[in-house]
Formats: sequence, C-alpha cells, structure tokens
Amino acid sequence: AQSVTQPDIHITVSEGASLELRCNYSYGATPYLFWYVQSPGQGLQLLLKYFSGDTLVQGIKGFEAEFKRSQSSFNLRKPSVHWSDAAEYFCAVGPSNDYKLSFGAGTTVTVRA
Amino acid sequence: SAVISQKPSRDICQRGTSLTIQCQVDSQVTMMFWYRQQPGQSLTLIATANQGSEATYESGFVIDKFPISRPNLTFSTLTVSNMSPEDSSIYLCSVEGGSGETQYFGPGTRLLVL
Repeated sequence: AQSVTQPDIHITVSEGASLELRCNYSYGATPYLFWYVQSPGQGLQLLLKYFSGDTLVQGIKGFEAEFKRSQSSFNLRKPSVHWSDAAEYFCAVGPSNDYKLSFGAGTTVTVRA
Repeated sequence: SAVISQKPSRDICQRGTSLTIQCQVDSQVTMMFWYRQQPGQSLTLIATANQGSEATYESGFVIDKFPISRPNLTFSTLTVSNMSPEDSSIYLCSVEGGSGETQYFGPGTRLLVL
C-alpha cells in the first residue's frame, strides 16, 4: 500500500528566507507525486507534479521540488518566501495507473515578518 | 485546469438531518472524486464517481451514509445522511484533468454539525 509522510507538522519561517518542506513516500514502484497548497478557507491548489524525466520540477508561485528515488523523497522548496505563502501544504502520491491519491498529514507554514 | 465550484460553501446543520453538496465543473470530465478533511486532518477519499455508473466507495464509507449522484459529465452531488457531530468536516470534490492522473480540487464545503 502506498503511504506518505510529512515529518514536519508546523514550520515557521521569516519572510524572505528559504523554505523546505519534507515528504517521504512508500510505494512499490515509481509513483506520481504531487504537492498541493491549501490557503486558509480555501480548497487545494496544485503547486507541481512529478511523473518522470527531470527530477527537479518547477511549479507555480516560485516553488520547486526534487524527486530522489534513493531516498523515496519529494521535498518542496522555495528560495524566498512571501507572507502569502502562509498556508498548509500537502504532499500526495498516486500510482501511475490510478487516480487514487494518498495524502500526507500536511505541514502548516507560518511566515513571520 | 478545470474551474470547479461547490455549493454550499459552508453550512451549520442539526444532528439527524441530511445535507446535499453540489459540485459543478466548467468542462466535461469522466472521473470526479469526493474527499473528506476532518478538522486538523489530511484528506481521505470517500468515493469515485464516474458518469453512468455507480460510485465506488473506499473502505469505511458506505452508500447509505454518503449517497452520490453523477447525472452528467459536469455535475455531481454528495449527500451526508443522518448527520452527527463526527461528520463535521470539509468536503471537497475533485476532478481528473491533464496528464498523469492529476486531480484538481474545488473550494470545499465546510460543514458543522451540532
């Protein structure tokens, strides 16, 4: 069975500082990997996704993620955070032949001035 | 990506009643999904709804409690039946779109059961 672990429940970062959110997955084959963001009172917005090819994926809002097969990880990064990046971030994994996604528990990001 | 709307955006309901949540997409999609996000929790898939067939429910979810309709390729409803306070959650619909089994989500319906 597939599973996703986001080790950090809550991260606080200063505006302008860099951000890295960790995601580890367990899956028998190479999965499809996703990062979603949920701003307060909003639904989920897709930030980026990885299926194959270049292991460094660029997304919206200046985010990128790197797939590392050897570490079963798909960490999300942003070089310089903005106050509007305060939100909850979810990593998700799905098999290549199915739409059933498994979500991590989420990481809440707080941005301080 | 598809534009997805949900109605109502939020509601407060009494226990024992039922609420029907609507999900509307601006384009035709084959697969629609319903998720539950309990307070402070991640998302859990309730069921997959394909047009023209019965919804497929995940373990722990049953049709009597969460009946789903999918009358056409742009619309679906989820009913939360005989509600209890434990049903207080955000209910989100999503649709398949793009490559690689990508899902796009609606804004969610925030339900509080008293």
